[in-house]
Amino acid sequence: DIVLTQAPLSVSVTPGESASISCRSSKSLLSSKGITSLYWYLQRPGKSPQLLIYQMSNLASGVPDRFSSSGSETDFTLKISKVETEDVGVYYCGHRLEYPLTFGSGTKLEIK
Amino acid sequence: EVQLVESGGGLVQPGASLKLSCVASGFTFSDYWMSWVRQTPGKTMEWIGDIKYDGSYTNYAPSLKNRFTISRDNAKSTLYLQMSNVRSEDTATYYCTRESLYWGQGVMVTVSS
Repeated sequence: DIVLTQAPLSVSVTPGESASISCRSSKSLLSSKGITSLYWYLQRPGKSPQLLIYQMSNLASGVPDRFSSSGSETDFTLKISKVETEDVGVYYCGHRLEYPLTFGSGTKLEIK
Repeated sequence: EVQLVESGGGLVQPGASLKLSCVASGFTFSDYWMSWVRQTPGKTMEWIGDIKYDGSYTNYAPSLKNRFTISRDNAKSTLYLQMSNVRSEDTATYYCTRESLYWGQGVMVTVSS
């Protein structure tokens, strides 16, 4: 199984500042079709997960452009610019390259 | 508007069986692969498995394939998860999801005597 390792475990950010979350994969997530199968999700407190980023760098519909993602085949970074209070929650990376799909352990974002 | 509504959770004894349902609306259910994902009380996310749009093919997490069965009824726009011989470690919130883009509100399953 592909192991996704997230860091840090938690991050505390002042509103208006930026935050970065790392996700490292045990295997290249670049598919034979040239698509990097890395996804980012946000789970706000008491809510279901929501998709933020698909295929490494594409914003899901309705997601503000304060969110961005980049990376290589195995190392990825989610960046949140100008953090707002509504960004509080747990961020997960996940892949859809092969079965079984797996997720990272999550990074909790808090507001200072 | 796409909606996924899970039901069927609750308190169940170890070794028992339980069937979860997920009713879909707002899209043509029979056009999409559907999945189940669970989240433990410690917030670990675990993919359970998925099913092809016509129900002809399923994939499972290796650790669960002997006890969990995913099925669907396209006429009822409903996805199912049959859980058998449940264990305490199956205690979790269970989500149905369409392509990881749309998620239900989740249903809690607690396995305890």
